[in-house]
Amino acid sequence: AQSVTQLDSHVSVSEGTPVLLRCNYSSSYSPSLFWYVQHPNKGLQLLLKYTSAATLVKGINGFEAEFKKSETSFHLTKPSAHMSDAAEYFCVVSDQDPGGGADGLTFGKGTHLIIQP
Amino acid sequence: EAGVAQSPRYKIIEKRQSVAFWCNPISGHATLYWYQQILGQGPKLLIQFQNNGVVDDSQLPKDRFSAERLKGVDSTLKIQPAKLEDSAVYLCASSFAGVYEQYFGPGTRLTVT
Repeated sequence: AQSVTQLDSHVSVSEGTPVLLRCNYSSSYSPSLFWYVQHPNKGLQLLLKYTSAATLVKGINGFEAEFKKSETSFHLTKPSAHMSDAAEYFCVVSDQDPGGGADGLTFGKGTHLIIQP
Repeated sequence: EAGVAQSPRYKIIEKRQSVAFWCNPISGHATLYWYQQILGQGPKLLIQFQNNGVVDDSQLPKDRFSAERLKGVDSTLKIQPAKLEDSAVYLCASSFAGVYEQYFGPGTRLTVT
């Protein structure tokens, strides 16, 4: 079984300051982890993904995330927030079972990122 | 490359009516997914197809929801009869078989009154 917990439903930061969105996961096998962003009235867009390669993953728009197996965490960070980063962010897990099949994605409840001018 | 297409974008129906949504995945993507996203929540997987076969439909309310993927390309999701709690955005996604990255369509926003 797989699950995701996003620790903050809302995060507010000032433009130009660092962003930290927290995510913890649980999985039965070898997880793949993702962060997706959803802007109002727009489709979900993949920011970055971890699939058992490098533990520090760089994504689009300056975002990155670090996979920490010992802490079962996959927090999303960005050094300097921009107004255009305001959106809903989803941490997502997909297990790969020993037979090689990939489960569907399990989404967290989302973190609403607010950027203050 | 064209993305995942969905139609209609918006639909308003009364409870107990039926409704159908259509999805055209990215060309060559063998795996297709339908998700339900209720306002304020993350998307929840309803059904996963591999080509035209069902891989996982464990969270699909089968008494009222049905889905098919004829010829392993386009897919339709139907609700009959609709309930108020079905009001949500229905998202379609696709991926290459065995690759985890899923590409999402814009969704269909359903309002049941």
